[in-house]
Amino acid sequence: EAEVAQSPRYKITEKSQAVAFWCDPISGHATLYWYRQILGQGPELLVQFQDESVVDDSQLPKDRFSAERLKGVDSTLKIQPAELGDSAMYLCASLDRGGSTEAFFGQGTRLTVV
Amino acid sequence: GDSVTQMEGPVTLSEEACLTINCTYTATGYPSLFWYVQYPGEGLQLLLKATKADDKGSNKGFEATYRKETTSFHLEKGSVQVSDSAVYFCALTPTGNQFYFGTGTSLTVIP
Repeated sequence: EAEVAQSPRYKITEKSQAVAFWCDPISGHATLYWYRQILGQGPELLVQFQDESVVDDSQLPKDRFSAERLKGVDSTLKIQPAELGDSAMYLCASLDRGGSTEAFFGQGTRLTVV
Repeated sequence: GDSVTQMEGPVTLSEEACLTINCTYTATGYPSLFWYVQYPGEGLQLLLKATKADDKGSNKGFEATYRKETTSFHLEKGSVQVSDSAVYFCALTPTGNQFYFGTGTSLTVIP
């Protein structure tokens, strides 16, 4: 069964260091999302791609976060420098271009900033 | 703006008890509604969905009915199992492209 792949599953980093997360969506899915989920809360959108273009990054803290999807397939989310408040689960999801409303989620990357 | 409000938890039930998790929404137009489930340390999995008023989504014994008159999409199950212990998220998409999630309701089922 096709799935959204994310790596790493867990990441511990010191504050002020750089960290990067990778996501490979389901093949053929045009829309890719990065969400941040703070413990005990629901996912909040950071950035949405349609193919290689950013559709919505209004909630992305652009002073420290960046995201790219250069070839419209896999994507990387980077944080530099990491802050203690960035500790969260980072979820990637994808949606196909066929009009389906079902977003498929990866298992997430659990980031702990110490 | 579009949003989802769901019942706060945590909820603790005995095995075979009935479950209801309330969810109400605010949206323009006719959104699609979803329940996602998240097991510890995992991502979100779609549990069920409904795309128009009066639709009933169902899966694994869970049901939810899209009620436009009350703007609700409550999750129900007649007899919960220990394996149902997870966090449940209500969500909507007004456009099929942007998703809005509730804060989640943690369910623990004890034997």
